[in-house]
Amino acid sequence: ETGVTQTPRHLVMGMTNKKSLKCEQHLGHNAMYWYKQSAKKPLELMFVYNFKEQTENNSVPSRFSPECPNSSHLFLHLHTLQPEDSALYLCASSQDTGEVYEQYFGPGTRLTVT
Amino acid sequence: GDSVTQMEGPVTLSEEAFLTINCTYTATGYPSLFWYVQYPGEGLQLLLKATKADDKGSNKGFEATYRKETTSFHLEKGSVQVSDSAVYFCALTRDVAGGTSYGKLTFGQGTILTVHP
Repeated sequence: ETGVTQTPRHLVMGMTNKKSLKCEQHLGHNAMYWYKQSAKKPLELMFVYNFKEQTENNSVPSRFSPECPNSSHLFLHLHTLQPEDSALYLCASSQDTGEVYEQYFGPGTRLTVT
Repeated sequence: GDSVTQMEGPVTLSEEAFLTINCTYTATGYPSLFWYVQYPGEGLQLLLKATKADDKGSNKGFEATYRKETTSFHLEKGSVQVSDSAVYFCALTRDVAGGTSYGKLTFGQGTILTVHP
């Protein structure tokens, strides 16, 4: 595997379910990010981790719970979601945080909440 | 706060036509500016970037010039191909005072480009 991978690629869940999204980067980077891409809205940064420490929580509801066990893996745990949470969730990584470091994106997980 | 505004899409062109996608931004200080491209079913890829005023970023025939006086970073290509069909995102990031940043990218809403043979 190369680059940034995300699983699953598609997920359908009910509002009472609990599920997790997984992201793995094979680039030796230290920073990882979760973004939400909704239809007709700009990409929204959700969380930033640098060296496994959360450095940014962009006012995300507590029904989204991130976990970063090491610099290569990032999870997004989901519970009691709402239909408006349906979106494409993108993971990204970079060597470090800061504007000089390019972010590399995964293909995303298409989430549908029914 | 920081913001990025892109021209409304979708944009539909014939092959070999000239492309312009407008992007303007609002930010204090001196942001870095980016264009990302998202092909169907894929994640975002960095297309080009510029880190200071009057810099020109270029890649794969695409160009954009950082214009501080007009706070713009318009994307251009002289002759588009069918393979350029994708969604294009303008974005900025800005180091906070002290030279450190948490890497926050602020994106525009994206512009869908469709190129017909």
